Amino acid sequence: EAGVTQFPSHSVIEKGQTVTLRCDPISGHDNLYWYRRVMGKEIKFLLHFVKESKQDESGMPNNRFLAERTGGTYSTLKVQPAELEDSGVYFCASSQYIGGEKLFFGSGTQLSVL
Amino acid sequence: ELKVEQNPLFLSMQEGKNYTIYCNYSTTSDRLYWYRQDPGKSLESLFVLLSNGAVKQEGRLMASLDTKARLSTLHITAAVHDLSATYFCAVATRDFGNEKLTFGTGTRLTIIP
Repeated sequence: EAGVTQFPSHSVIEKGQTVTLRCDPISGHDNLYWYRRVMGKEIKFLLHFVKESKQDESGMPNNRFLAERTGGTYSTLKVQPAELEDSGVYFCASSQYIGGEKLFFGSGTQLSVL
Repeated sequence: ELKVEQNPLFLSMQEGKNYTIYCNYSTTSDRLYWYRQDPGKSLESLFVLLSNGAVKQEGRLMASLDTKARLSTLHITAAVHDLSATYFCAVATRDFGNEKLTFGTGTRLTIIP
């Protein structure tokens, strides 16, 4: 069974540019989550999709971040325009059920904004 | 706001020794997770603890949960080099049917031969 895949694995961009991160969840998983870890800080929740609907986006830092999940399959997280403080590792996770025991994480996208 | 405190942040220990990582959290929760992360890899689920007094063991790792004290521990017995990694605890909270995890800062564990 394929796991959660994310790409790119690394992205280096300049301040003010746009970057789009992609996450492919495990097939059949309706729940898709985005988390991020900013340098030296905890991993923090960004948002939660159930199929194509945003169930909870309370962790999105500001309106420069836009997440989509068209068709309820893969998801994208776009940062436009990127700022220095957006640098960090962005993780995606998926699960079959809300509150289920298994939450599977991808290996993350390391974003560096220079 | 839920706070999750994990300590120590860094742990360097010799092979064969025992040690414990602590995870304190500030509000009640349905479940607590322990994850392991190797550099550049995904977060690997180690344990899910669902109730007070829960204890789970896998190899040299044992996790326990005390919901009254809001404390979970991850105990390492007779450490071996392969256990070197970063370990995270994460507390699950539910709000109107949604669930999200609040993570501790992680413990970077280095096992010295």
